[in-house]
Amino acid sequence: SYVLTQPPSVSVAPGETARITCGGNNIGSKRVHWYQQKPGQAPVLVIYYDSDRPSGIPERFSGSNSGNTAALTISRVEAGDEADYYCQVWDNSNDFEVFGTGTKVTVL
Amino acid sequence: EVQLVESGGGLVQPGGSLRLSCVVSGFTFSNYWMTWVRQVPGRGLEWVANIKRDGSEEYYVDSVKGRFTISRDNAKNSLYLQMDSLRDEDTALYYCARRRVAAATNWFDPWGQGTLVTVSS
Repeated sequence: SYVLTQPPSVSVAPGETARITCGGNNIGSKRVHWYQQKPGQAPVLVIYYDSDRPSGIPERFSGSNSGNTAALTISRVEAGDEADYYCQVWDNSNDFEVFGTGTKVTVL
Repeated sequence: EVQLVESGGGLVQPGGSLRLSCVVSGFTFSNYWMTWVRQVPGRGLEWVANIKRDGSEEYYVDSVKGRFTISRDNAKNSLYLQMDSLRDEDTALYYCARRRVAAATNWFDPWGQGTLVTVSS
């Protein structure tokens, strides 16, 4: 089955840039989506189709995808961005949805 | 406003059954695929099942095949997950979500608040 690997944690100072990676075999050939989950809350879509932002998501959130790595970048990080972030793809070989292992972003 | 509200979770013994429900509002339910995703507290997200707009197709993660059944009632704007032969490892918070389908991909937006299922003797 298809596996998506994320770093367990990323720490960043306020105002700096956080980059969360999502590794998968030839992930660049798939479309990647990202979710933010704050403690005690349901996940919220922050990026879809590699780099598109749903309405209401700040421009500070951006995405990229190439080769074996996709990435979510959060610019000018704020305290409110502290959360767990998950990448997700559709494995069309099995008709399975696959989530990444998740990354906890800590704002110092 | 789009809303998804899950219910039906609770404490059940191993081998028991439970039926989860998800009532939606704010969008035309019959136009969308739907999904169930679960999360063990403190752990990551795991996809459980998908169902097509008209209920004619269902897909499951291997670990629940033959034990869980996803279904829907478009007239009632409701999604269901019948869970039988429950195991300790099925203990999790279960979310329903609207599945957005595009060319060769799909994503989930929005999600409900989840309902907790605890399997324990």
